[in-house]
Amino acid sequence: GQQLNQSPQSMFIQEGEDVSMNCTSSSIFNTWLWYKQDPGEGPVLLIALYKAGELTSNGRLTAQFGITRKDSFLNISASIPSDVGIYFCAGQGQGGSEKLVFGKGTKLTVNP
Amino acid sequence: DGGITQSPKYLFRKEGQNVTLSCEQNLNHDAMYWYRQDPGQGLRLIYYSQIVNDFQKGDIAEGYSVSREKKESFPLTVTSAQKNPTAFYLCASSKGRGPGTEAFFGQGTRLTVV
Repeated sequence: GQQLNQSPQSMFIQEGEDVSMNCTSSSIFNTWLWYKQDPGEGPVLLIALYKAGELTSNGRLTAQFGITRKDSFLNISASIPSDVGIYFCAGQGQGGSEKLVFGKGTKLTVNP
Repeated sequence: DGGITQSPKYLFRKEGQNVTLSCEQNLNHDAMYWYRQDPGQGLRLIYYSQIVNDFQKGDIAEGYSVSREKKESFPLTVTSAQKNPTAFYLCASSKGRGPGTEAFFGQGTRLTVV
């Protein structure tokens, strides 16, 4: 089945630093989504990408849909304490299925 | 406000009992999903439904059952056959394929077997 490799698993950074995380897949995806999950809550959609090469921003967040359609990255600029949480990538393949495949998440800790 | 609602937030179950988790959405979405989340793991798909009165097994359907009698509702039953049911359960919905495929999640239900 389709698999997503998300890295890094965890990050510890100082407030104000930039952050980068990425996901790679073993197969081509038509859609890449990035979510953030706070402890004990459901994931919240941050950015959705639909075209290879697409670069989309949402405030301090920027995500790109890789040209090969097998990868995506998420950057967070000038991190703040409320950026703490788990970030998940998710992708939808070409098979016409509605199913999303999720990465295992990147746990971000921001030290004030 | 439109959204997706899961209840209860916390649930305790005795071993051997079935329990049903509620999921309701008023987003007029066709597709609904149930995921299970364990510590350090990604989200694993239990069941999904693309249309009323139809649903498909996900990757870890054993020990679970669902129904989709109404567009707005997709309850999940955790049966006594599920060997390790303690987990965080997330319900999601999406409009469909392509743009608008984004899945929106509920707040989750934490199930603990005691």
